[in-house]
Amino acid sequence: QVQLQQSGPGLVKPAQTLSLTCAISGDSVSSDNAAWNWIRQSPSRGLEWLGRTYYRSTWFYDYADSVTSRISIRADTSKNQFSLNLNSVTHEDTAVYYCARGWSLNFWGQGSLVTVSS
Amino acid sequence: DIVMTQAPDSLAVSLGERATINCKSSQSVFYSPHSRESVAWYQQKSGQPPKLLIDGASVRHSGVPDRFSGSGSGTDFTLTISSLQAEDVAVYYCQQYFSLPLTFGGGTRVEIK
Repeated sequence: QVQLQQSGPGLVKPAQTLSLTCAISGDSVSSDNAAWNWIRQSPSRGLEWLGRTYYRSTWFYDYADSVTSRISIRADTSKNQFSLNLNSVTHEDTAVYYCARGWSLNFWGQGSLVTVSS
Repeated sequence: DIVMTQAPDSLAVSLGERATINCKSSQSVFYSPHSRESVAWYQQKSGQPPKLLIDGASVRHSGVPDRFSGSGSGTDFTLTISSLQAEDVAVYYCQQYFSLPLTFGGGTRVEIK
């Protein structure tokens, strides 16, 4: 059974960088048949896919157009985890952030409420 | 981007009765190499992450009760709960994974009448 455990700060100041980590158990971040996603959810935007990484002999990264200039997703094979960095945050980035596995998203992290506020 | 439009926004159904949720995609999401519609359905209970119920439009995920079923093709898809139970109170979402960005419907809230 795959489990995803999220960690990271719940409060970020405007213009700073939001950083979250998703630790994987029961699978490998470098699996050749998985993809690792970040999604966020807010009342105003609903469920919004932010981006993903996956490994197929090399690492691939895909990002949503809405955040592509501010986002970075990276895998850490030594810790079997992947991370989200979203820089230059504003209050509009306040949301619950989830990591999830797959294309149809069959396993999800527990969610992290991140508030952007000074 | 593929837009997923769900209806209705909310639904109140008596215990043991059928609940039907519709989802329309703005373009075809049929993935021919797998001969499958690239649509998934999720259940989200308060304070929890979404939980995968159905993928490939009609394939129940492991452990999902058989009162949940998915159907549809082309651009029109349906999630049916054949006999609503108290534990099915939740918000339900459709999602397409045919192309990036992955996109979700706006959700349908299911309540007990």
